[in-house]
Amino acid sequence: DGGITQSPKYLFRKEGQNVTLSCEQNLNHDAMYWYRQDPGQGLRLIYYSQIVNDFQKGDIAEGYSVSREKKESFPLTVTSAQKNPTAFYLCASSIREPRGYTFGSGTRLTVV
Amino acid sequence: EDKVVQSPLSLVVHEGDTVTLNCSYEVTNFRSLLWYKQEKKAPTFLFMLTSSGIEKKSGRLSSILDKKELFSILNITATQTGDSAIYLCASQLGRGNQFYFGTGTSLTVIP
Repeated sequence: DGGITQSPKYLFRKEGQNVTLSCEQNLNHDAMYWYRQDPGQGLRLIYYSQIVNDFQKGDIAEGYSVSREKKESFPLTVTSAQKNPTAFYLCASSIREPRGYTFGSGTRLTVV
Repeated sequence: EDKVVQSPLSLVVHEGDTVTLNCSYEVTNFRSLLWYKQEKKAPTFLFMLTSSGIEKKSGRLSSILDKKELFSILNITATQTGDSAIYLCASQLGRGNQFYFGTGTSLTVIP
């Protein structure tokens, strides 16, 4: 079955460490996105990519980095420069003219 | 500044009640408005609205868009405990495939 897989589901890291969240899709979607969700703040866009080897900053890109070397994969690295990394991270994908997103199941990152 | 505002922020109802969730938007080059339901994990797609005044229905859920007044409503009739979730509204921006999300409405349906 086609879909988006995010891993891991839960992640604990010490302050000051970089961590990479995985997002893989087999839907042949061109565009992929990373969102962050905090309580009471809805989904905020971190980065998005519309084609391979190209990506754009979203509203809250500081402290994050991404790569898009393959159409299927869009990993997100949360760097030590991100001041409040503890959150729920959602990856999504869409076709060029989307009817909407297909979301992954999310990764809950806790930094201690 | 683009924004999407949902109200109320939270709502508690009894099973069988009817609820109306609101979403107003101010975005550049509006293309569409989407509703999602988020339970424990990822949001699931409910409706995409592009035309004013045309109601979309799926079972007990329905939604309509008013492009003149810049808002949309999501109605849920005969609510059930399984309807408890966060309902997210998102507006698609004119630039690329970007969607601007509201903060969501947290709905709790009690037996």
